[in-house]
Amino acid sequence: GQQVMQIPQYQHVQEGEDFTTYCNSSTTLSNIQWYKQRPGGHPVFLIQLVKSGEVKKQKRLTFQFGEAKKNSSLHITATQTTDVGTYFCAGRTGGGNKLTFGTGTQLKVEL
Amino acid sequence: NAGVTQTPKFRVLKTGQSMTLLCAQDMNHEYMYWYRQDPGMGLRLIHYSVGEGTTAKGEVPDGYNVSRLKKQNFLLGLESAAPSQTSVYFCASSSGTGGARNSPLHFGNGTRLTVT
Repeated sequence: GQQVMQIPQYQHVQEGEDFTTYCNSSTTLSNIQWYKQRPGGHPVFLIQLVKSGEVKKQKRLTFQFGEAKKNSSLHITATQTTDVGTYFCAGRTGGGNKLTFGTGTQLKVEL
Repeated sequence: NAGVTQTPKFRVLKTGQSMTLLCAQDMNHEYMYWYRQDPGMGLRLIHYSVGEGTTAKGEVPDGYNVSRLKKQNFLLGLESAAPSQTSVYFCASSSGTGGARNSPLHFGNGTRLTVT
């Protein structure tokens, strides 16, 4: 079945450093969504990418969808303590209603 | 707006006991999902529903059953709990798909289940 892997699994950064998480799918995706889960909380939707090579920005966050629509990345510029949490990508294949979630990247930001 | 509400928030079961997790959404969403979250494994889909009266299996359906008798409710049942079902369970809902896009998932706050 479809597999979606994320790397790294964990990342510790100093506040102000940049952070990137990568998402790789074994199959071509129709779209990809990104979610953030704060410690003890539930996943919250951040953004969706649909087009090959698409790039979207939300303040300090930059999201990319690969040309082959099999990979994606989330880059955070100048991390802040409010960025702490686990970031998940979730992809859809074909015309299905199901999203397959990546394994997640846990980000810790130290002062 | 309440959004997606899950009950209970915590539960401890003994091996072999049964229980039902309740999920209710007030957004009139067609699609509802049950996920389990385990360390290092992300969120795995157990069962889902594309509308009232319909259910389908996800990635890890064994040991679970579901029902969607009303559009706003999605129930997850464990008939005979096992320690391997110790996990955090999340319910989610969405308004469905539109072409190449998926509507975002709205998650409940989760149920932390421990099976001893």
